[in-house]
Amino acid sequence: GENVEQHPSTLSVQEGDSAVIKCTYSDSASNYFPWYKQELGKGPQLIIDIRSNVGEKKDQRIAVTLNKTAKHFSLHITETQPEDSAVYFCAAATGNQFYFGTGTSLTVIP
Amino acid sequence: DSGVTQTPKHLITATGQRVTLRCSPRSGDLSVYWYQQSLDQGLQFLIQYYNGEERAKGNILERFSAQQFPDLHSELNLSSLELGDSALYFCASSPWTGLGNEQFFGPGTRLTVL
Repeated sequence: GENVEQHPSTLSVQEGDSAVIKCTYSDSASNYFPWYKQELGKGPQLIIDIRSNVGEKKDQRIAVTLNKTAKHFSLHITETQPEDSAVYFCAAATGNQFYFGTGTSLTVIP
Repeated sequence: DSGVTQTPKHLITATGQRVTLRCSPRSGDLSVYWYQQSLDQGLQFLIQYYNGEERAKGNILERFSAQQFPDLHSELNLSSLELGDSALYFCASSPWTGLGNEQFFGPGTRLTVL
């Protein structure tokens, strides 16, 4: 089955700096890669996603890049704000099966 | 608020018992997904239903079962509970099935097995 690895497990950045979270996957059949943000006591919320036929996607301060050859994808958050502090999960999906990374706890220091 | 509701919010039970977790999807959503989130294994996909039919199966134990009813709400049944089943259980819903179909997560049910 699919194996998704996510790094780093914790990340602290100063407000205004950029944050980068990286994930790798093993199954070349995976073709959909969503990123979720989970705040304390809440369920995960989709923040951005990318399909395998696209190399990069941007939505305001958030961007995702995908390298299908190397089987890795990354989340980039620019101009971080304290409200970006949360746990972020990457996922790789094949059909209706979603495989999640182990999460990155991001802390933005004011 | 995602529009997905889950009950109960917290559940404390003993080993060997059976519990039922309930999920009501967003209005109009036909797909329901169940996930288990534990500290040591992260977020794991369990099972998906679409319009009453099972569509995909993940790492769901044989002691666990689920169903989706005609009104589209879903229940996850956990039996012969073990200490290791203690976790957060999330339900998510989406309008249909297939890729690129944004999943909206509920607030979760925290299960504690003593």
